[in-house]
Amino acid sequence: ETGVTQTPRHLVMGMTNKKSLKCEQHLGHNAMYWYKQSAKKPLELMFVYNFKEQTENNSVPSRFSPECPNSSHLFLHLHTLQPEDSALYLCASSQVPGGAYNEQFFGPGTRLTVL
Amino acid sequence: SQELEQSPQSLIVQEGKNLTINCTSSKTLYGLYWYKQKYGEGLIFLMMLQKGGEEKSHEKITAKLDEKKQQSSLHITASQPSHAGIYLCGADRDDYKLSFGAGTTVTVRA
Repeated sequence: ETGVTQTPRHLVMGMTNKKSLKCEQHLGHNAMYWYKQSAKKPLELMFVYNFKEQTENNSVPSRFSPECPNSSHLFLHLHTLQPEDSALYLCASSQVPGGAYNEQFFGPGTRLTVL
Repeated sequence: SQELEQSPQSLIVQEGKNLTINCTSSKTLYGLYWYKQKYGEGLIFLMMLQKGGEEKSHEKITAKLDEKKQQSSLHITASQPSHAGIYLCGADRDDYKLSFGAGTTVTVRA
């Protein structure tokens, strides 16, 4: 498989459930990102991992918990979410988080619905 | 933080017609990226612009960055149904991360 993959593609969960989103990149990149995309809003950067180390937590509520066991895998653990957390969650990766430019490659996203 | 404003928010174009989308920044752009997104899916990289006055083309899509590096436009010539989707501009922030505009939804009518 090539590129950035995300599973599951769709997820429906109750507010008391615990679930996890998975992202895997096959591009040999060093940085990985979680974004939240809500309708009619700009993409919101949630977390950044650089060489498996978290370098940014963009004021994300603690009910979202990221995990990056290695530079190819990224997880987003979800617990006690709220209906307003329903959105498309996108994972991305890039070669380096700095440098001359920062072309990011995106996965297909997980459409999350919180009931 | 870098704020990007895209216009229009959405547009409908007749197949075969041209269209233009704009992306305006509140700060000087170091790197400007155009992505395309089909509804509910990930973003596909289209082009990246860095230099003032730069222009790049790929097939029927042309992107330009103005001399002041605060505005970019994406122009599609002779639109086709395959051009339908959401177009997003993204910009390098001071900390080398990306900020995105809210997107422009393009509908192409046959």
